[in-house]
Amino acid sequence: KNEVEQSPQNLTAQEGEFITINCSYSVGISALHWLQQHPGGGIVSLFMLSSGKKKHGRLIATINIQEKHSSLHITASHPRDSAVYICAVTMDSNYQLIWGAGTKLIIKP
Amino acid sequence: NAGVMQNPRHLVRRRGQEARLRCSPMKGHSHVYWYRQLPEEGLKFMVYLQKENIIDESGMPKERFSAEFPKEGPSILRIQQVVRGDSAAYFCASSPPGDNTEAFFGQGTRLTVV
Repeated sequence: KNEVEQSPQNLTAQEGEFITINCSYSVGISALHWLQQHPGGGIVSLFMLSSGKKKHGRLIATINIQEKHSSLHITASHPRDSAVYICAVTMDSNYQLIWGAGTKLIIKP
Repeated sequence: NAGVMQNPRHLVRRRGQEARLRCSPMKGHSHVYWYRQLPEEGLKFMVYLQKENIIDESGMPKERFSAEFPKEGPSILRIQQVVRGDSAAYFCASSPPGDNTEAFFGQGTRLTVV
């Protein structure tokens, strides 16, 4: 079993839909990261969370430490949101990032 | 304040040549991390460096790969005698001193070995 699991692996939705991507982890963490990777490969850090909820524009990230679960939400989705979204955790015991497999999101106009 | 800068963006090397990938961290960042993303795979940690020190190279292949982060200048990931299996995207991230600080990623270098 992977230490960081994301779901779904692939998600296709229509423009305007509310999107949720989930991340569960099985290790003790000091922080959880959501990242975005566009076709062409560049990676952008979206959020770093250790508790609660963060919002940036149409993106919202939440984390439940007790349940070891985080969600990334996109409101009013747009085709430019199409990308791979990656969840990664920083373990309690060291600084290394453990990565989820990513969720490939396609938003159709 | 420019972001993490990696160059070149694309690098083509013939088998047996050397590849040098450069990463300039964000201003004020003293920690650099290198990751490799093989085709159809996730990102894998390679090495963690602070200025003039390798802190953790547990993800580096034992041979042909080396990394440095000198006192002045960018961090360099060096791959000697490249093979086709080295073809991948190599990402660098940097963070400021301290624990639990956010890492910022560069755009990556896509290495193709022909």
